[in-house]
Amino acid sequence: GAVVSQHPSWVICKSGTSVKIECRSLDFQATTMFWYRQFPKQSLMLMATSNEGSKATYEQGVEKDKFLINHASLTLSTLTVTSAHPEDSSFYICSARLRNYGYTFGSGTRLTVV
Amino acid sequence: KQEVTQIPAALSVPEGENLVLNCSFTDSAIYNLQWFRQDPGKGLTSLLLIQSSQREQTSGRLNASLDKSSGRSTLYIAASQPGDSATYLCAVYGSGNTGKLIFGQGTTLQVKP
Repeated sequence: GAVVSQHPSWVICKSGTSVKIECRSLDFQATTMFWYRQFPKQSLMLMATSNEGSKATYEQGVEKDKFLINHASLTLSTLTVTSAHPEDSSFYICSARLRNYGYTFGSGTRLTVV
Repeated sequence: KQEVTQIPAALSVPEGENLVLNCSFTDSAIYNLQWFRQDPGKGLTSLLLIQSSQREQTSGRLNASLDKSSGRSTLYIAASQPGDSATYLCAVYGSGNTGKLIFGQGTTLQVKP
């Protein structure tokens, strides 16, 4: 149980286009989801916290207009990278927290902007 | 500000060896500590969760201990196998149960056949 399904697993897009990444909680309701970015050989960097039905909370230095987060339901949170550029190429991972079970992570999305 | 450090950064051992990965944190007022495994290009798999009131957790060949007073946790892997090769990440919940995970930089483990 406690599975977070993340799609797509990889995506290549042209510079200037937008890309949407979805995370779904399959067997539980996630009122809060966390979005991370990971550069090669580095640890995870928290980008933002999404809350169902309200605005996301972004970490310092993360561009809100660049990384749009929507948490429209208790089972779905999305991250849209708008007007993507090569420097946005990275590995993006979502996570949800379950009481007494800790955090569970999606499988990640490898974004390549060409 | 909470900081998490993992030592060593990389480790290479022969198959069958028992090994210990170390994690230290600067603020002992943590809520929980969680160990994860990450394979290249993949997401994180939770290995063990130690709640703040617990001292250790075990799952199969894995045993994790927590000493809040000294700000340390260890992950013990018994009888290592090549399939254990991965990056192991230690993470603590920020003090005051803010809900945010604070990660160490990870230990990359290679188990040679």
